[in-house]
Amino acid sequence: DQQVKQNSPSLSVQEGRISILNCDYTNSMFDYFLWYKKYPAEGPTFLISISSIKDKNEDGRFTVFLNKSAKHLSLHIVPSQPGDSAVYFCAASAQGGSEKLVFGKGMKLTVNP
Amino acid sequence: KAGVTQTPRYLIKTRGQQVTLSCSPISGHRSVSWYQQTPGQGLQFLFEYFSETQRNKGNFPGRFSGRQFSNSRSEMNVSTLELGDSALYLCASSALVGTNEKLFFGSGTQLSVL
Repeated sequence: DQQVKQNSPSLSVQEGRISILNCDYTNSMFDYFLWYKKYPAEGPTFLISISSIKDKNEDGRFTVFLNKSAKHLSLHIVPSQPGDSAVYFCAASAQGGSEKLVFGKGMKLTVNP
Repeated sequence: KAGVTQTPRYLIKTRGQQVTLSCSPISGHRSVSWYQQTPGQGLQFLFEYFSETQRNKGNFPGRFSGRQFSNSRSEMNVSTLELGDSALYLCASSALVGTNEKLFFGSGTQLSVL
């Protein structure tokens, strides 16, 4: 049973435009959410996180929105840059992050120049 | 500060063999987790070690095992390899357990089982 779902396997956007990556979860015990970015032949790198006590967290061009009632979070990248082209993983954990992270299957973002 | 180091980067084995993968966490990090990444399946949690004790375990068969040493370095072993074990195996470390501590990943070991 996939507890963290990234239903779209890929997304293609033009440079300068907004990229919106979506993630849904089923476990209501999840209270900490993260996004990781992964380039080929490299391990995932932490991008941004959000706790369930907040509904928005911003870090430069990256903003994560959390809708607890819908069990949905999204990552906005504005403006998108070609260097953002990578696979993005959504992850979640319970009990304030003390439980293991559960990852989605990932979404490949391509930003075209 | 050096990042998480995994060795080897690439490995080719045949069915039935066993394999040992190694992970050196970031200095000072005591928690080490292992994940398996396969195309279309994302990252699936294998197990987590903290202070030489397995703290969490994912839904993998007993052929997958691990251990952690007193210097926090960790090894993962897969016995009786199957074709489906072909994957990227990622190790991640974190400084603390029980907090919202993000994971730092190594570059992984790409295992191919022929």
